[in-house]
Amino acid sequence: SQQGEEDPQALSIQEGENATMNCSYKTSINNLQWYRQNSGRGLVHLILIRSNEREKHSGRLRVTLDTSKKSSSLLITASRAADTASYFCATGRSYNTDKLIFGTGTRLQVFP
Amino acid sequence: GAVVSQHPSWVICKSGTSVKIECRSLDFQATTMFWYRQFPKQSLMLMATSNEGSKATYEQGVEKDKFLINHASLTLSTLTVTSAHPEDSSFYICSARSDRGQRDTQYFGPGTRLTVL
Repeated sequence: SQQGEEDPQALSIQEGENATMNCSYKTSINNLQWYRQNSGRGLVHLILIRSNEREKHSGRLRVTLDTSKKSSSLLITASRAADTASYFCATGRSYNTDKLIFGTGTRLQVFP
Repeated sequence: GAVVSQHPSWVICKSGTSVKIECRSLDFQATTMFWYRQFPKQSLMLMATSNEGSKATYEQGVEKDKFLINHASLTLSTLTVTSAHPEDSSFYICSARSDRGQRDTQYFGPGTRLTVL
């Protein structure tokens, strides 16, 4: 399977704490994206990082990419109860032509 | 902007019947749309890539005759689950890639929950 793996599978934290999720993938990529999914709902695009980038920020989100290790991390700072959701990484192998391969996901629970 | 809708949001049907799910890009054109299925507490698995005006490209292991895809216009793709059986019960999600702007971002619909009795 080409599917990437994420760890941890589940993460429980208190509001205000930081949450870190890791994603590993198997093939060379053009970009890596992070999505959020609330229970039983569609996916919301969070951030995209390209293979020639090492770090990207968006609000309370920080994403890093290490192509030599084929891994990425998503950091959510100062977490809120509303951040409770499943988070998926997805890799794209080429610009504008290819499908996304999703990781296994991390279920984040933020307690108030 | 970049809103994708799906209809219906949920459907319950009897075994042996066919179910059609629509995926629409509401405010942009999408030559390419994607269909995924997701089992409870699992990740998304790509089923097929839908291309406007041409045949869909199916992933390995996905039955073309079982899951019929029609991409009739630049804003609409449909997935028909033919002769549905209980094992087809799942959450089906579509996504669309805009023909303009950042083409490597996919915008996802809210999903359709299919339950086959």
